[in-house]
Amino acid sequence: DAKTTQPPSMDCAEGRAANLPCNHSTISGNEYVYWYRQIHSQGPQYIIHGLKNNETNEMASLIITEDRKSSTLILPHATLRDTAVYYCIVSPALSNTGKLIFGQGTTLQVKP
Amino acid sequence: KAGVTQTPRYLIKTRGQQVTLSCSPISGHRSVSWYQQTPGQGLQFLFEYFSETQRNKGNFPGRFSGRQFSNSRSEMNVSTLELGDSALYLCASRHAGGQYEQYFGPGTRLTVT
Repeated sequence: DAKTTQPPSMDCAEGRAANLPCNHSTISGNEYVYWYRQIHSQGPQYIIHGLKNNETNEMASLIITEDRKSSTLILPHATLRDTAVYYCIVSPALSNTGKLIFGQGTTLQVKP
Repeated sequence: KAGVTQTPRYLIKTRGQQVTLSCSPISGHRSVSWYQQTPGQGLQFLFEYFSETQRNKGNFPGRFSGRQFSNSRSEMNVSTLELGDSALYLCASRHAGGQYEQYFGPGTRLTVT
C-alpha cells in the first residue's frame, strides 16, 4: 500500500504557484520522497526527489518538513500544460527495489 | 536519445487468449520495470528485470510473466486473459546506477472482451 496521503484534486490559476501537499508520517530513515506526474494518456514523468533537504530543479521545488512527515511540491508558475495527476511516493532508492508504489495522487487542474 | 518505446500501443484480445507486450528501454538502460494501471487499482508494480534477471515481483498471479533479453529489451506475457486484465501496461527503464528516476514509456492499452 502507498505510504502517502494526498488531496484528490486541486485547482490553480495559470501563472500562479501550485503547492501540492503530501503526508508521509510513517516514512523511514532510508526512504526518499519522490514526485512524479502523469499527463493524460502518457506515462508518468519524474519531477524531483529528496531525502531531508529542500530541493529545486528546473521543473519544481520540493519542501520537506524537518520531521520528514510531510512535504510540498511547488510549481512556481503553473501553465496549462502542468494539468496532470501528481504522485507523491515514498520509497528507498530504486537500486534497492526497482519499484515505485503509486497512490491515487492529486489531480491538478490549471485554469486560465 | 530516444525514449522508452512500447509496442503495440493498442490491443484488443478475447478472454482466454494470451498476449505479449514489448518494451524497448532507453539506450544504455539495463533495468526495466513493468506496471499495470487501471481506474480502480491505479498504478501497480508488476516486476523488474535487470541484466536478464527478475529482481523484484509485485503481487500478481502467475499468469503474468516477463523476460528480458541481452539487449535489455523486455517482454511481458499475460496468459488466459480475463476481463479484469484490461488496463494500460507501462514499462519504465533506468540506467544501472540510476536510483531515483524511472523513465516511462507511453504504455500499451489492452482491452479484453
